[in-house]
Amino acid sequence: GAGVSQTPSNKVTEKGKYVELRCDPISGHTALYWYRQSLGQGPEFLIYFQGTGAADDSGLPNDRFFAVRPEGSVSTLKIQRTERGDSAVYLCASTPGQGTDTQYFGPGTRLTVL
Amino acid sequence: AQKVTQAQTEISVVEKEDVTLDCVYETRDTTYYLFWYKQPPSGELVFLIRRNSFDEQNEISGRYSWNFQKSTSSFNFTITASQVVDSAVYFCALSEPISNTGNQFYFGTGTSLTVIP
Repeated sequence: GAGVSQTPSNKVTEKGKYVELRCDPISGHTALYWYRQSLGQGPEFLIYFQGTGAADDSGLPNDRFFAVRPEGSVSTLKIQRTERGDSAVYLCASTPGQGTDTQYFGPGTRLTVL
Repeated sequence: AQKVTQAQTEISVVEKEDVTLDCVYETRDTTYYLFWYKQPPSGELVFLIRRNSFDEQNEISGRYSWNFQKSTSSFNFTITASQVVDSAVYFCALSEPISNTGNQFYFGTGTSLTVIP
């Protein structure tokens, strides 16, 4: 079956702009995670959804970052007033149920803020 | 403090050599999970293995084997008879429970493995 998909694969934007990154989890997976991966680093947790609600958003770096999952499937990560330091690969992962399950990752969105 | 430490930043081996990637974790929970993921140059993280904290049995899958030792908080990964296709960045990860809502995942900084033909 289809894996986790993320769009766009690459996004180049200018400092101060607003961006949206989309994640389509594996069908039927109830849990969805967003991570940020900087060059040479491991994935850094941002936010975790169980169904439609954000179960843990402690990883969001500041209030410029926000994520939604209105219908419990597709999720959108929104970044306002982008800064050069936001440049990274944004990864999405989904799991079948609550977090003890294995995470399946999408290919990521590479965000470059000029 | 790092929850997951992968002290080896980069390793190079010649094809057919065995190589062990180290992972040390830190947790106060008695129930937790440990993972290894592979990230090839294409960038997508590929799941390799999951172990729970109550199962210390070593596991072998083909050329891959894992040594879980709670006494030293380590979960090391060995590739036997390495191949060029094994070249990738390998991440160790720890999953801890977050109250009743699920688990929080922590990743190490990764070990970049290069297998030289």
